[in-house]
Amino acid sequence: SQQGEEDPQALSIQEGENATMNCSYKTSINNLQWYRQNSGRGLVHLILIRSNEREKHSGRLRVTLDTSKKSSSLLITASRAADTASYFCATAPTQGGSEKLVFGKGTKLTVNP
Amino acid sequence: NAGVTQTPKFQVLKTGQSMTLQCAQDMNHEYMSWYRQDPGMGLRLIHYSVGAGITDQGEVPNGYNVSRSTTEDFPLRLLSAAPSQTSVYFCASRIQGSTDTQYFGPGTRLTVL
Repeated sequence: SQQGEEDPQALSIQEGENATMNCSYKTSINNLQWYRQNSGRGLVHLILIRSNEREKHSGRLRVTLDTSKKSSSLLITASRAADTASYFCATAPTQGGSEKLVFGKGTKLTVNP
Repeated sequence: NAGVTQTPKFQVLKTGQSMTLQCAQDMNHEYMSWYRQDPGMGLRLIHYSVGAGITDQGEVPNGYNVSRSTTEDFPLRLLSAAPSQTSVYFCASRIQGSTDTQYFGPGTRLTVL
C-alpha cells in the first residue's frame, strides 16, 4: 500500500521560479526522504528529515515536516531546467524501519527555460 | 566505486519463462532491496535483505525469489514470468548508520509478452 501521496501530480513552472511539492502519509514514521528521478534513470537521494526535525535545508532545497498533520513539503528555490524530473517522497515507518521504505507516486516537475 | 549496478538494462520474456535480474554493489552495504516501478506509480518493495544469508518479503513478493549469498550480490529471480510482471525493476542498497540513504541502480526494464 502507498503510504506517501505527493501533491500535485504534475507541476510546470518557469526557470527561476520556486517549486513546492507536498507529501502526505498515514502512519508514524522514523524519517521521511525525498528522491529525484530523471527520465529513464534510477532514483537519487536528495534529503532526509527525521521525525523530531521540523525543517531542513540543503542548497536550494528546503524540506519541512509536520508530524501532527502527517505531511511534508519540498521547496526548490530558483529552479533550473536541470531540475526537470519526478520527485518522490519516501517514508520509513516506525515499524519496519528503513528496510521498508514506502514511496509515493511522485510529482512530475517540468521547468521551462 | 561503481555504486549499484544492474544487468541487463532491458529484457523481453515470454510468459512462463524464468530469468534472473542481477544486482551488485561495491560499497559494502549490508542492506539491499528490490523495487518495481509501474507507470504512474511509486516504487513498491518486492524483497529486501539485511545481510548475507538473510532475506525478507516486501509489499509485492509473489512470483519473485531472492537469495543473498554474498554482501555484494542480490539477484532477483522470476520463476515463471507473467505479463503483470512487466515493469521497471530497481535494486537499492543502504549504508549502515543513521543516514538511511538508499542508493539506487539504473534499473532493468522488463517486458513479458
